[in-house]
Amino acid sequence: EVQLVESGGGLVQPGGSLRLSCAVSELTFSSYWMSWVRQAPGKGLEWVAHITKDGSEKSYVDSVKGRFTISRDDAKNSLSLQMNSLRAEDTAVYYCATGVGYHDFWGQGTLVTVSS
Amino acid sequence: EIVLTQSPATLSLSPGERATLSCRASQSVGTYLAWYQQKPGRAPRLLIYAASNRATGIPARFSGSGSGTDFTLTISSLEPEDFAFYYCQRRSLWSPTTWTFGQGTEVEIK
Repeated sequence: EVQLVESGGGLVQPGGSLRLSCAVSELTFSSYWMSWVRQAPGKGLEWVAHITKDGSEKSYVDSVKGRFTISRDDAKNSLSLQMNSLRAEDTAVYYCATGVGYHDFWGQGTLVTVSS
Repeated sequence: EIVLTQSPATLSLSPGERATLSCRASQSVGTYLAWYQQKPGRAPRLLIYAASNRATGIPARFSGSGSGTDFTLTISSLEPEDFAFYYCQRRSLWSPTTWTFGQGTEVEIK
């Protein structure tokens, strides 16, 4: 069974940093595009960042450009999201997900709370 | 930037009834249109991809249709477990690759 397990969430002050990780198993990780998607409390889904299978293309939603960095480590079957200069509006559950045209596998999410 | 508008925001129906959910794009999105189901506290689950293809394990009562700018998710006969939130999503046709979600439709028990 394919599993995606996020970690690294928590409470951070505005302006702080956090690094999220997503461990992937039972999937040929190196063959998959990966994304981060978030959901603020009581709100809808928002795509955040994407990386191609070879890491040659990365893209971000405008609101996180210059602050968030997506990366992957195929040797460890792991996806990461480095989040800097965090704002209150970044508070959300962050999901990692696989897919090219759509997202077919999802993790269970990790909660990031930005508050003083 | 393409915007996806879902309607209605809330659909109040009884088990056994037919549900019809709409997703309208501000510009043509080709066939990169997907539908997801999400229950409170759970991750989204892929239902439909490429507008009309059911994902693995999705019951036949779920169907998708449409092309260009107008898409529909139909649940032919609502089961108790179908009361949830539903989101449509599109992927950009050109680089850089981006995804956009609709704001969601809640299917609630009447």
